[in-house]
Amino acid sequence: IAGITQAPTSQILAAGRRMTLRCTQDMRHNAMYWYRQDLGLGLRLIHYSNTAGTTGKGEVPDGYSVSRANTDDFPLTLASAVPSQTSVYFCASSPKEKDGYTFGSGTRLTVV
Amino acid sequence: GQNIDQPTEMTATEGAIVQINCTYQTSGFNGLFWYQQHAGEAPTFLSYNVLDGLEEKGRFSSFLSRSKGYSYLLLKELQMKDSASYLCAVMDSNYQLIWGAGTKLIIKP
Repeated sequence: IAGITQAPTSQILAAGRRMTLRCTQDMRHNAMYWYRQDLGLGLRLIHYSNTAGTTGKGEVPDGYSVSRANTDDFPLTLASAVPSQTSVYFCASSPKEKDGYTFGSGTRLTVV
Repeated sequence: GQNIDQPTEMTATEGAIVQINCTYQTSGFNGLFWYQQHAGEAPTFLSYNVLDGLEEKGRFSSFLSRSKGYSYLLLKELQMKDSASYLCAVMDSNYQLIWGAGTKLIIKP
C-alpha cells in the first residue's frame, strides 16, 4: 500500500538520550517534511527537504537534525532529548512544493 | 508575521450545515488547503483553493477570497463521523505551508 510509514508509533524516552524517528515513503515524492503538533498549536515545521540530498530548517529546528540520503527516507534525530520535545511528530511528503501533503500516522514521543 | 486564525471549537447538530472560517495574513499566497484530522490520527487532505470562489466536493465545499484573506469550509448534511478537527493551511511565497491551530468540530445527535 503506497504511503508514508513512521516508526515507532510511540516512545517514552529519558531526557538526555538520543532518538531517531524514522520516516519512509514509497510514492517517489520529492518533498518531505517533519512537523510537531502540540495541543492548542498548529502544526509546526521542524525541517524539510525539497529533494534528495538537500534539507532546510523550518520554524522550530533547534534540538533536531535530519538527513535525506535518498528519495524514500527522511529520519529525524533528537541528539539529546529534553521534556519540551514531548509531542506528536508527523512526517509528510508531497510530489512538488505546490502539491498537498500526505501524512504519516505520527509518532507520539514522551520525554521524561 | 504570518498568521492563520480559525475558531478553536464549534458545535453543530447531525444533519445540519456548519461553516468553519479561516482568515490569514501571510507573506505571499500560493494556495489554501483544508485538512481533516480525527483524534489520534494524521491529517487528511480535503480541499485546495488558489483562485477566488467556491469549490464543491460532495458534502464539503471550500470558498476563498484572496482580497479579504478569507476562506471557509462548508459541511452539509453533517454526520457523526464528521466530528474531527479541521485545519486551515496557507502556502506562502516560499511554498511552505503555514498552519492554523485547527477547529474542533463537535457533532451532536
